[in-house]
Amino acid sequence: DIHMTQSPSSLSASVGDRVTISCRASQAISNSLAWFQQKPGKAPKSLIYAASSLQSGVPSKFSGSGSGTDFTLTISSLQPEDFATYYCQQYSSYPLTFGGGTKVEIK
Amino acid sequence: EVHLVESGGGLVQPGGSLRLSCAASGFMFSTYNMNWVRQAPGKGLEWVSYISSSSNTLNYADSVKGRFTISRDNAKSSLYLQMNSLRAEDTAVYYCARDRSNANWGQGTLVTVSS
Repeated sequence: DIHMTQSPSSLSASVGDRVTISCRASQAISNSLAWFQQKPGKAPKSLIYAASSLQSGVPSKFSGSGSGTDFTLTISSLQPEDFATYYCQQYSSYPLTFGGGTKVEIK
Repeated sequence: EVHLVESGGGLVQPGGSLRLSCAASGFMFSTYNMNWVRQAPGKGLEWVSYISSSSNTLNYADSVKGRFTISRDNAKSSLYLQMNSLRAEDTAVYYCARDRSNANWGQGTLVTVSS
């Protein structure tokens, strides 16, 4: 199984900050990586697929990069609605595996 | 617009069974692979099972293999998860999601396994 490691597990940031979340795969997965945002009591929402492609309707302040084993999600200017938990997921092979999540909190 | 609606969750005793359903609309269901993903209370996301568009390929997490069965009815645009021999650790919100990258999710249905 491919293990996904996210860092940090939580972070505190202010409105307007640039935020970066990292995700590392235990083996190469090419660009088969997705990023999700989840708010309390809600279903996850897909933000990014194929490591860097923005899902339809997702604002351009979200961006993804990376290939192979190291990936990054960046939020260019954090807004109040962006405070949530973010997950990465590899879909290179089954079983699909998720990172442990990064909780973005208000400083 | 893609719409996925899960149903069938509830309270069940350990060792019991439950069948979850996921009704799909807004896309050509028969051409998409589907997944079930779960989330235990306060925990992260865990993939449970996969079914290919034609039901030719099925995959299961080791934690549910031999107890859960995934199926679909393309004529009804519906996905199912038959859950048998349920355990306390199966307590979670269960989501259906579209394609390998889980591009779209339903709102989830809560399964509680408790005596």
